[in-house]
Amino acid sequence: AQSVTQLGSHVSVSEGALVLLRCNYSSSVPPYLFWYVQYPNQGLQLLLKYTSAATLVKGINGFEAEFKKSETSFHLTKPSAHMSDAAEYFCAVSALGDMRFGAGTRLTVKP
Amino acid sequence: KAGVTQTPRYLIKTRGQQVTLSCSPISGHRSVSWYQQTPGQGLQFLFEYFSETQRNKGNFPGRFSGRQFSNSRSEMNVSTLELGDSALYLCASSLPSGTGFPEQYFGPGTRLTVT
Repeated sequence: AQSVTQLGSHVSVSEGALVLLRCNYSSSVPPYLFWYVQYPNQGLQLLLKYTSAATLVKGINGFEAEFKKSETSFHLTKPSAHMSDAAEYFCAVSALGDMRFGAGTRLTVKP
Repeated sequence: KAGVTQTPRYLIKTRGQQVTLSCSPISGHRSVSWYQQTPGQGLQFLFEYFSETQRNKGNFPGRFSGRQFSNSRSEMNVSTLELGDSALYLCASSLPSGTGFPEQYFGPGTRLTVT
């Protein structure tokens, strides 16, 4: 079965600073990988997805993630944080009809 | 195009009761998945329906069940509610693909409180 580990349940950055949210996965077959964002009292919104095409994936709102098979990682980055980026972020792995989410990382952006 | 809608948005039930939650997918989407989100367990996959058939199932007891109608709308039912069933229940719809999970679009969720 697949699994996802998000390192750091809480990340705090200053506005304009680099955002780095870490995600490591485990899968016995080549997986699909996703990053979702959840704002308070809302559902999840897809930021980006990896489906075995380019290893550097660009998503919405200036986010991108790089698939590194050797490190089994799919870290999410954004060069410059904005106040509106404050939310909870979930990494997810899908393979063989199964979908697993990480525990989530809450991003706080300080002015 | 309208997004995924879930009704009701909030629900309060008593232990032992049963509850039915509804999900209307995006028009044209035929796959509907359900998730339970709690602070302790995070996001957990309940089940997925495609063309009125349950295609995948998570590790939840039989008290949790679902169905999908011919118009792709889906319902999930929880019988004999327990306090631990208090959670945000999220529905997601997607276009079907051959393998794995394609891009999913989530609804706002139904917040269930069991007292």
